[in-house]
Amino acid sequence: KQEVTQIPAALSVPEGENLVLNCSFTDSAIYNLQWFRQDPGKGLTSLLLIQSSQREQTSGRLNASLDKSSGRSTLYIAASQPGDSATYLCAVRPWKNRDDKIIFGKGTRLHILP
Amino acid sequence: DTGVSQDPRHKITKRGQNVTFRCDPISEHNRLYWYRQTLGQGPEFLTYFQNEAQLEKSRLLSDRFSAERPKGSFSTLEIQRTEQGDSAMYLCASSPPHPDIGETQYFGPGTRLLVL
Repeated sequence: KQEVTQIPAALSVPEGENLVLNCSFTDSAIYNLQWFRQDPGKGLTSLLLIQSSQREQTSGRLNASLDKSSGRSTLYIAASQPGDSATYLCAVRPWKNRDDKIIFGKGTRLHILP
Repeated sequence: DTGVSQDPRHKITKRGQNVTFRCDPISEHNRLYWYRQTLGQGPEFLTYFQNEAQLEKSRLLSDRFSAERPKGSFSTLEIQRTEQGDSAMYLCASSPPHPDIGETQYFGPGTRLLVL
């Protein structure tokens, strides 16, 4: 059974710092891995999607890496800003023909201190 | 295209009442998913439709839960005889036909349910 774990559960850093969020998954048979952002009481916004054949994806100040063989991904946020404060969710799509569900971690609650 | 919409956004009900939520996916998306998210947890898969066919149901979906997508467009999720443990955010997502490995699911804003 695929399980996704995110460390740390919560993180507070001063504005301007670079930071890394970690994600691990137990079964390396995945289609892709995604990082989502969720603001309090809101839905999910997809930030980055890494296909199983890729090693990393970048969007602006965000960079996500994937090491499928070791079951790990990191989300790197450069020059953090107060607007980055949110919960960041890691999710994998298992490698099955008809199984389209996404399996999520519990998230990392990020607070950027002004 | 206005994205995935859900209605209502918030629902407060008393234990034992029935509630129904609606999800309108992005037009042209034939795949629709329901997830449930409790406080401090990530979303958990409930069920999945391809067009009007319900293809998979999680063990989380007890007999009190029923989901439908009668015309392959919008979907409803009904909870009968609600319990306090049903309090959660119910998220809907959709994706286009034949999503490739690089295709994401698009999430709606969610319906937050509070059972008193």
